[in-house]
Amino acid sequence: AQKVTQAQTEISVVEKEDVTLDCVYETRDTTYYLFWYKQPPSGELVFLIRRNSFDEQNEISGRYSWNFQKSTSSFNFTITASQVVDSAVYFCALSEEGRDDKIIFGKGTRLHILP
Amino acid sequence: GEEVAQTPKHLVRGEGQKAKLYCAPIKGHSYVFWYQQVLKNEFKFLISFQNENVFDETGMPKERFSAKCLPNSPCSLEIQATKLEDSAVYFCASSQSNRYNEQFFGPGTRLTVL
Repeated sequence: AQKVTQAQTEISVVEKEDVTLDCVYETRDTTYYLFWYKQPPSGELVFLIRRNSFDEQNEISGRYSWNFQKSTSSFNFTITASQVVDSAVYFCALSEEGRDDKIIFGKGTRLHILP
Repeated sequence: GEEVAQTPKHLVRGEGQKAKLYCAPIKGHSYVFWYQQVLKNEFKFLISFQNENVFDETGMPKERFSAKCLPNSPCSLEIQATKLEDSAVYFCASSQSNRYNEQFFGPGTRLTVL
Protein backbone atom coordinates (compact mmCIF):
# COMPACT_ATOMS: atom_id res chain seq x y z
CA ALA A 1 0.00 0.00 0.00
CA GLN A 2 1.10 3.55 -0.56
CA LYS A 3 1.69 5.68 2.50
CA VAL A 4 3.60 8.80 3.48
CA THR A 5 4.67 9.38 7.07
CA GLN A 6 5.78 12.71 8.44
CA ALA A 7 6.56 11.87 12.03
CA GLN A 8 7.19 15.46 13.09
CA THR A 9 3.83 17.10 13.70
CA GLU A 10 5.22 20.46 14.72
CA ILE A 11 8.70 21.98 14.87
CA SER A 12 9.86 25.31 16.23
CA VAL A 13 13.29 26.74 15.55
CA VAL A 14 14.86 30.13 15.97
CA GLU A 15 15.49 32.16 12.84
CA LYS A 16 18.75 31.39 11.04
CA GLU A 17 18.89 27.85 12.38
CA ASP A 18 18.85 24.93 9.96
CA VAL A 19 15.92 22.57 10.14
CA THR A 20 15.22 19.18 8.55
CA LEU A 21 11.74 17.85 7.91
CA ASP A 22 11.52 14.09 7.71
CA CYS A 23 9.49 12.07 5.24
CA VAL A 24 9.27 8.30 4.96
CA TYR A 25 7.21 6.65 2.26
CA GLU A 26 5.89 3.21 1.42
CA THR A 27 5.22 1.92 -2.05
CA ARG A 28 5.24 -1.35 -3.94
CA ASP A 29 5.93 0.32 -7.27
CA THR A 30 9.35 0.76 -8.80
CA THR A 31 8.27 3.93 -10.59
CA TYR A 32 6.92 6.67 -8.40
CA TYR A 33 7.19 10.37 -7.72
CA LEU A 34 7.84 12.22 -4.50
CA PHE A 35 6.85 15.78 -3.80
CA TRP A 36 7.15 18.51 -1.24
CA TYR A 37 4.55 21.24 -0.94
CA LYS A 38 4.45 24.30 1.29
CA GLN A 39 1.16 25.59 2.68
CA PRO A 40 1.59 29.05 4.22
CA PRO A 41 -1.02 30.54 6.57
CA SER A 42 -2.81 31.98 3.54
CA GLY A 43 -3.77 28.43 2.62
CA GLU A 44 -2.58 27.91 -0.93
CA LEU A 45 -0.41 24.96 -1.85
CA VAL A 46 2.99 25.91 -3.15
CA PHE A 47 4.85 23.28 -5.16
CA LEU A 48 8.48 22.94 -4.08
CA ILE A 49 9.89 19.86 -5.78
CA ARG A 50 9.08 16.67 -7.65
CA ARG A 51 11.53 13.79 -7.75
CA ASN A 52 11.10 10.55 -9.67
CA SER A 53 12.19 7.24 -8.24
CA PHE A 54 15.04 6.80 -10.70
CA ASP A 55 16.75 10.01 -9.77
CA GLU A 56 18.45 9.74 -6.41
CA GLN A 57 20.56 12.82 -6.82
CA ASN A 58 20.16 15.24 -4.01
CA GLU A 59 18.91 18.65 -5.00
CA ILE A 60 19.66 22.12 -3.75
CA SER A 61 17.63 25.20 -4.53
CA GLY A 62 18.79 28.26 -2.67
CA ARG A 63 18.29 27.60 1.03
CA TYR A 64 16.31 24.44 0.33
CA SER A 65 17.81 21.00 -0.15
CA TRP A 66 16.37 17.54 -0.47
CA ASN A 67 17.92 14.19 0.42
CA PHE A 68 16.36 11.23 -1.37
CA GLN A 69 17.46 7.81 -0.13
CA LYS A 70 15.72 4.79 -1.64
CA SER A 71 17.50 2.44 0.75
CA THR A 72 15.62 3.96 3.67
CA SER A 73 12.55 5.10 1.69
CA SER A 74 13.12 8.64 2.85
CA PHE A 75 12.88 12.02 1.17
CA ASN A 76 13.95 14.59 3.73
CA PHE A 77 13.82 18.35 3.29
CA THR A 78 16.29 20.76 4.85
CA ILE A 79 15.96 24.51 5.13
CA THR A 80 19.25 26.25 5.77
CA ALA A 81 19.41 29.57 7.61
CA SER A 82 15.66 29.56 8.21
CA GLN A 83 13.62 32.73 7.93
CA VAL A 84 10.31 33.76 9.47
CA VAL A 85 8.71 33.54 6.02
CA ASP A 86 9.46 29.82 6.03
CA SER A 87 6.79 29.35 8.69
CA ALA A 88 4.18 27.11 7.13
CA VAL A 89 2.89 23.57 7.00
CA TYR A 90 5.02 21.38 4.76
CA PHE A 91 3.62 18.30 3.08
CA CYS A 92 5.52 15.39 1.66
CA ALA A 93 3.60 13.43 -0.95
CA LEU A 94 3.80 10.36 -3.17
CA SER A 95 2.30 9.40 -6.49
CA GLU A 96 2.69 6.00 -8.09
CA GLU A 97 2.80 5.58 -11.82
CA GLY A 98 -0.07 3.37 -12.82
CA ARG A 99 -2.18 4.20 -9.77
CA ASP A 100 -4.27 6.76 -11.59
CA ASP A 101 -1.83 9.44 -10.56
CA LYS A 102 -3.56 10.61 -7.43
CA ILE A 103 -1.23 12.20 -4.93
CA ILE A 104 -1.07 10.71 -1.46
CA PHE A 105 -0.11 13.33 1.10
CA GLY A 106 1.53 12.95 4.46
CA LYS A 107 -0.15 14.64 7.40
CA GLY A 108 2.18 17.59 7.25
CA THR A 109 4.73 19.19 9.54
CA ARG A 110 3.90 22.59 10.95
CA LEU A 111 7.08 24.65 11.04
CA HIS A 112 7.37 27.74 13.24
CA ILE A 113 10.36 29.99 12.69
CA LEU A 114 10.76 32.22 15.72
CA PRO A 115 12.30 35.67 15.29
CA GLY B 1 -5.81 30.34 -18.28
CA GLU B 2 -2.36 29.91 -16.83
CA GLU B 3 -3.58 29.03 -13.36
CA VAL B 4 -6.17 26.69 -11.93
CA ALA B 5 -9.13 28.82 -10.92
CA GLN B 6 -11.53 27.82 -8.17
CA THR B 7 -14.76 29.51 -7.20
CA PRO B 8 -16.05 30.52 -4.82
CA LYS B 9 -13.20 31.21 -2.44
CA HIS B 10 -15.47 30.72 0.57
CA LEU B 11 -18.83 28.99 0.84
CA VAL B 12 -21.06 28.78 3.90
CA ARG B 13 -23.98 26.38 4.03
CA GLY B 14 -26.43 25.27 6.65
CA GLU B 15 -26.47 21.57 7.38
CA GLY B 16 -28.61 19.81 4.81
CA GLN B 17 -28.14 22.44 2.12
CA LYS B 18 -26.48 21.82 -1.22
CA ALA B 19 -22.99 23.08 -2.02
CA LYS B 20 -21.46 23.42 -5.46
CA LEU B 21 -17.81 24.18 -6.11
CA TYR B 22 -16.20 25.02 -9.43
CA CYS B 23 -12.79 24.48 -10.95
CA ALA B 24 -11.39 25.76 -14.22
CA PRO B 25 -8.24 23.80 -15.09
CA ILE B 26 -5.28 25.27 -16.89
CA LYS B 27 -6.01 25.52 -20.60
CA GLY B 28 -4.75 22.45 -22.40
CA HIS B 29 -4.72 20.26 -19.31
CA SER B 30 -6.62 17.01 -19.74
CA TYR B 31 -6.66 15.80 -16.14
CA VAL B 32 -8.50 17.28 -13.20
CA PHE B 33 -8.23 16.11 -9.59
CA TRP B 34 -10.25 17.01 -6.51
CA TYR B 35 -8.84 16.77 -2.98
CA GLN B 36 -10.43 17.50 0.37
CA GLN B 37 -8.33 18.98 3.16
CA VAL B 38 -10.02 18.68 6.53
CA LEU B 39 -9.16 20.79 9.56
CA LYS B 40 -6.36 18.56 10.80
CA ASN B 41 -4.49 19.19 7.57
CA GLU B 42 -5.13 15.74 6.18
CA PHE B 43 -5.65 15.58 2.45
CA LYS B 44 -8.02 13.08 0.95
CA PHE B 45 -8.20 12.32 -2.77
CA LEU B 46 -11.77 12.44 -4.00
CA ILE B 47 -11.95 12.00 -7.77
CA SER B 48 -10.08 12.56 -11.00
CA PHE B 49 -11.14 13.15 -14.59
CA GLN B 50 -9.55 12.68 -17.97
CA ASN B 51 -11.34 15.30 -19.99
CA GLU B 52 -15.02 14.67 -19.25
CA ASN B 53 -14.55 11.05 -18.22
CA VAL B 54 -14.17 9.89 -14.65
CA PHE B 55 -10.65 8.50 -14.28
CA ASP B 56 -10.62 7.44 -10.64
CA GLU B 57 -13.48 7.92 -8.18
CA THR B 58 -12.27 5.68 -5.39
CA GLY B 59 -12.22 8.53 -2.89
CA MET B 60 -15.73 9.84 -3.45
CA PRO B 61 -18.41 9.43 -0.79
CA LYS B 62 -20.95 8.48 -3.40
CA GLU B 63 -24.08 8.99 -1.35
CA ARG B 64 -23.91 12.78 -1.35
CA PHE B 65 -20.94 13.77 -3.51
CA SER B 66 -20.96 14.06 -7.26
CA ALA B 67 -18.64 15.67 -9.79
CA LYS B 68 -18.61 16.54 -13.46
CA CYS B 69 -16.25 17.90 -16.07
CA LEU B 70 -18.23 18.89 -19.15
CA PRO B 71 -16.74 20.30 -22.36
CA ASN B 72 -16.37 24.09 -22.41
CA SER B 73 -17.50 24.42 -18.80
CA PRO B 74 -15.72 24.55 -15.45
CA CYS B 75 -15.56 21.26 -13.61
CA SER B 76 -17.85 21.04 -10.61
CA LEU B 77 -18.03 19.21 -7.30
CA GLU B 78 -21.46 19.07 -5.73
CA ILE B 79 -22.41 18.00 -2.24
CA GLN B 80 -26.06 17.27 -1.63
CA ALA B 81 -27.37 17.60 1.91
CA THR B 82 -24.14 18.84 3.46
CA LYS B 83 -23.05 17.60 6.86
CA LEU B 84 -20.87 19.27 9.46
CA GLU B 85 -17.98 16.92 8.64
CA ASP B 86 -17.96 18.20 5.04
CA SER B 87 -16.40 21.43 6.33
CA ALA B 88 -13.00 21.52 4.67
CA VAL B 89 -10.95 23.19 1.99
CA TYR B 90 -11.50 21.59 -1.39
CA PHE B 91 -8.56 21.79 -3.76
CA CYS B 92 -8.70 21.22 -7.46
CA ALA B 93 -5.58 20.36 -9.45
CA SER B 94 -4.96 19.88 -13.14
CA SER B 95 -2.24 18.24 -15.18
CA GLN B 96 -1.38 18.11 -18.84
CA SER B 97 -1.08 14.34 -19.00
CA ASN B 98 -0.97 11.42 -16.66
CA ARG B 99 2.76 11.13 -17.04
CA TYR B 100 5.25 12.87 -14.81
CA ASN B 101 2.48 13.51 -12.30
CA GLU B 102 2.91 17.25 -12.35
CA GLN B 103 -0.27 18.59 -10.87
CA PHE B 104 -0.96 22.28 -10.51
CA PHE B 105 -3.19 23.19 -7.60
CA GLY B 106 -5.83 25.87 -7.41
CA PRO B 107 -6.21 28.16 -4.38
CA GLY B 108 -8.97 26.04 -2.88
CA THR B 109 -12.55 26.64 -1.80
CA ARG B 110 -13.20 26.78 1.93
CA LEU B 111 -16.59 25.19 2.71
CA THR B 112 -18.07 25.82 6.13
CA VAL B 113 -21.16 23.86 7.10
CA LEU B 114 -23.03 25.30 10.07
